[in-house]
Amino acid sequence: DAGVIQSPRHEVTEMGQEVTLRCKPISGHDYLFWYRQTMMRGLELLIYFNNNVPIDDSGMPEDRFSAKMPNASFSTLKIQPSEPRDSAVYFCASSPGLAGAPGTDTQYFGPGTRLTVL
Amino acid sequence: EDQVTQSPEALRLQEGESSSLNCSYTVSGLRGLFWYRQDPGKGPEFLFTLYSAGEEKEKERLKATLTKKESFLHITAPKPEDSATYLCAVQAGAGGGADGLTFGKGTHLIIQP
Repeated sequence: DAGVIQSPRHEVTEMGQEVTLRCKPISGHDYLFWYRQTMMRGLELLIYFNNNVPIDDSGMPEDRFSAKMPNASFSTLKIQPSEPRDSAVYFCASSPGLAGAPGTDTQYFGPGTRLTVL
Repeated sequence: EDQVTQSPEALRLQEGESSSLNCSYTVSGLRGLFWYRQDPGKGPEFLFTLYSAGEEKEKERLKATLTKKESFLHITAPKPEDSATYLCAVQAGAGGGADGLTFGKGTHLIIQP
């Protein structure tokens, strides 16, 4: 299995531009999560999906952030317009099934996208 | 609000020098406590999940334990390749369905040859 795939791996953009990050979860996983990692705040959950439906987006910082999951094998996180404070590493993770079911609730992380907004 | 505090922030050990990393948590209804390892420039790599107080899990030189308030990651006779940032996370809630993880800020571990 190729694991969780994210693209691009690095993105440098200017303030005000639209940024789209992409994620392909592990095949067969029903849950997909988007996290953001910064030195100051560590890893923070932004949003997660179950069977392509957004379940909890309370971690999305502002209306400038949006996420979609049009099918079971693809998700996007979009920032429009981007700001310098959005600079961070964005991770996508997926898990097979229900929490508390041993062996099925492990979240597997992708390699991340390092975003720099100038 | 769920909180996870890891200590120390950084730890430098000599090869073979055993030690423990601490993860203290407050959560409304612990569903699971997770340990991850993160190498520079990479995503977190899953190590262990613990579900109830008293549970222990081992993998090579690592052993994770859990009480009602904290978890420890014990490292026995570490090697330089064990150098990484170790992250602790909790998953909360009593309802069905997966929730996201609340992470601590990690312990940066360096093992010197």
